[in-house]
Amino acid sequence: TQLLEQSPQFLSIQEGENLTVYCNSSSVFSSLQWYRQEPGEGPVLLVTVVTGGEVKKLKRLTFQFGDARKDSSLHITAAQTGDTGLYLCAGPIYNQGGKLIFGQGTELSVKP
Amino acid sequence: GAGVSQSPSNKVTEKGKDVELRCDPISGHTALYWYRQSLGQGLEFLIYFQGNSAPDKSGLPSDRFSAERTGGSVSTLTIQRTQQEDSAVYLCASSPWSGASNTIYFGEGSWLTVV
Repeated sequence: TQLLEQSPQFLSIQEGENLTVYCNSSSVFSSLQWYRQEPGEGPVLLVTVVTGGEVKKLKRLTFQFGDARKDSSLHITAAQTGDTGLYLCAGPIYNQGGKLIFGQGTELSVKP
Repeated sequence: GAGVSQSPSNKVTEKGKDVELRCDPISGHTALYWYRQSLGQGLEFLIYFQGNSAPDKSGLPSDRFSAERTGGSVSTLTIQRTQQEDSAVYLCASSPWSGASNTIYFGEGSWLTVV
């Protein structure tokens, strides 16, 4: 069974600090996605990483896909209060089309 | 509208009642998904429709849960004889196809509370 484990589950930091969220699995994934979800809304896709070792940047957010394609990380530089939300990683289940499994999420709170 | 539309946005129901949740996907999207999310948690897969293929129902937690998709568009998730543990946000999503790295678009969810 493919599983995705995220850590930490909760993170509370001050504005301006840096942080890293991890998404780990014992299974290989063809790709991994990162979503951000705000209260009362559905998750919104931030990025998809496809190639082992790939690094993608989205403004202050840096996403990395592990060389073995079993893990990914999200690094936020100089966090802002607007970064507050639930961050979810997700990956496609092998040979089941677009069906995704999700990690349990990281609840990030950035305080002014 | 341009996005995935779900209704109702909030539903409070008594234990034992049946509920229907509706999802209107983005026009032209062939794949439609239902997920369930408990408070502050990740998403639990429920069911997946792709075109005219038989749906993947492997995530439905019990036979009280069913879903259909009419005309390849609108979908309804039905929960019969609701229980308190069914309380959650039910999220619908759609995508233009069902490849492994395609983008799926979520609706805002239907928040179900069973009292």
